[in-house]
Amino acid sequence: AQTVTQSQPEMSVQEAETVTLSCTYDTSENNYYLFWYKQPPSRQMILVIRQEAYKQQNATENRFSVNFQKAAKSFSLKISDSQLGDTAMYFCAHGSSNTGKLIFGQGTTLQVKP
Amino acid sequence: DAGVIQSPRHEVTEMGQEVTLRCKPISGHNSLFWYRQTMMRGLELLIYFNNNVPIDDSGMPEDRFSAKMPNASFSTLKIQPSEPRDSAVYFCASSATGTGSPGQYFGPGTRLTVT
Repeated sequence: AQTVTQSQPEMSVQEAETVTLSCTYDTSENNYYLFWYKQPPSRQMILVIRQEAYKQQNATENRFSVNFQKAAKSFSLKISDSQLGDTAMYFCAHGSSNTGKLIFGQGTTLQVKP
Repeated sequence: DAGVIQSPRHEVTEMGQEVTLRCKPISGHNSLFWYRQTMMRGLELLIYFNNNVPIDDSGMPEDRFSAKMPNASFSTLKIQPSEPRDSAVYFCASSATGTGSPGQYFGPGTRLTVT
């Protein structure tokens, strides 16, 4: 069975600084994907970034990047130049390439302070 | 693309009433997922469909919950009879499974309050 663990329930960062959110996972699958989702106060779930497990290169999307350590089963999210609009809950998720089913972590609440 | 569409956005009902939540997935997506989110239990997968066929309904809490997907562009989640503990935000998500374009795209959610 797949599990996803986010060990940081809450974090805060000053505007314009960099913050890293942690995520570890366990899986029995060889082919899978990893995702970070953002849920702002509006409660909309927004796909932030995705990583294919077979790719060694870390994914980047503008100010968002990941550090994917496959052997360690670690998948952290780095947010550079934090903005007030980044304030949200962030969920790490493991996705099966066969079924598309996602397993979510418990979430990390990020507060960006002015 | 209009994204995943859910209706209603808010629903307030009395205990014992039937509730029907609706979802229109993104055109061309072949998988559809229903989730429930509460403070206590977080985000829970209730059921998912692939090509309109229910694949895994092990997350459906009890027989009061049922879901259908009569065609590729429409799904419903029904609760009958509703109870106060069903109060939550219900999300629908869709994905193009197996096409090399991974990731689920979520609707805005339906906030259900059962009094």
